[in-house]
Amino acid sequence: DAGITQSPRYKITETGRQVTLMCHQTWSHSYMFWYRQDLGHGLRLIYYSAAADITDKGEVPDGYVVSRSKTENFPLTLESATRSQTSVYFCASSLTSGGGRDTQYFGPGTRLTVL
Amino acid sequence: RKEVEQDPGPFNVPEGATVAFNCTYSNSASQSFFWYRQDCRKEPKLLMSVYSSGNEDGRFTAQLNRASQYISLLIRDSKLSDSATYLCVVRRPPLGGGTSYGKLTFGQGTILTVHP
Repeated sequence: DAGITQSPRYKITETGRQVTLMCHQTWSHSYMFWYRQDLGHGLRLIYYSAAADITDKGEVPDGYVVSRSKTENFPLTLESATRSQTSVYFCASSLTSGGGRDTQYFGPGTRLTVL
Repeated sequence: RKEVEQDPGPFNVPEGATVAFNCTYSNSASQSFFWYRQDCRKEPKLLMSVYSSGNEDGRFTAQLNRASQYISLLIRDSKLSDSATYLCVVRRPPLGGGTSYGKLTFGQGTILTVHP
């Protein structure tokens, strides 16, 4: 049971470059999420997706682009990376929009450094 | 005021100790509550949901007080392997219909170190 995977696990890039972080889940969960985690800020939602071809902004979407052409994949693209985007990025998924005890399950994270 | 507030700690306790963490939330419409655990440089993992009547899972007990808007986690007989950051997580109901979702708000976490 692969669950939810992310790639790459570590990435170093330079300011101004485009970077794409991949997220893949095998649970057929409808909802997928991208968070970033920084010291002093905790986990902050960047974008989420309710289904294929349906995406919406979270708290900190500026500088990021997402797509979801297939239910199982939810890539996050930094169009022109900046140093402030150095962070740990977590992808998560949930079966539903959040009823009852349903909650989100996280991938292992991508540690991104922008020089 | 932050939506979810936790004492950041760190809590340093010996093996076998009992330790309790508290968390307060500001949105009275919050619907569901969870504790996640996050090990150093790893992803958050669901530890347990928190039920209105309180619930127990082995050495872990979670309590919810809706009137006072706080959640607690009690760990009994602490193990070295319990060392981690514990995240209090609160979910609000979906706003509107369609593709809206019940937003999860994460506390900043409480650091626990269990020493021999």
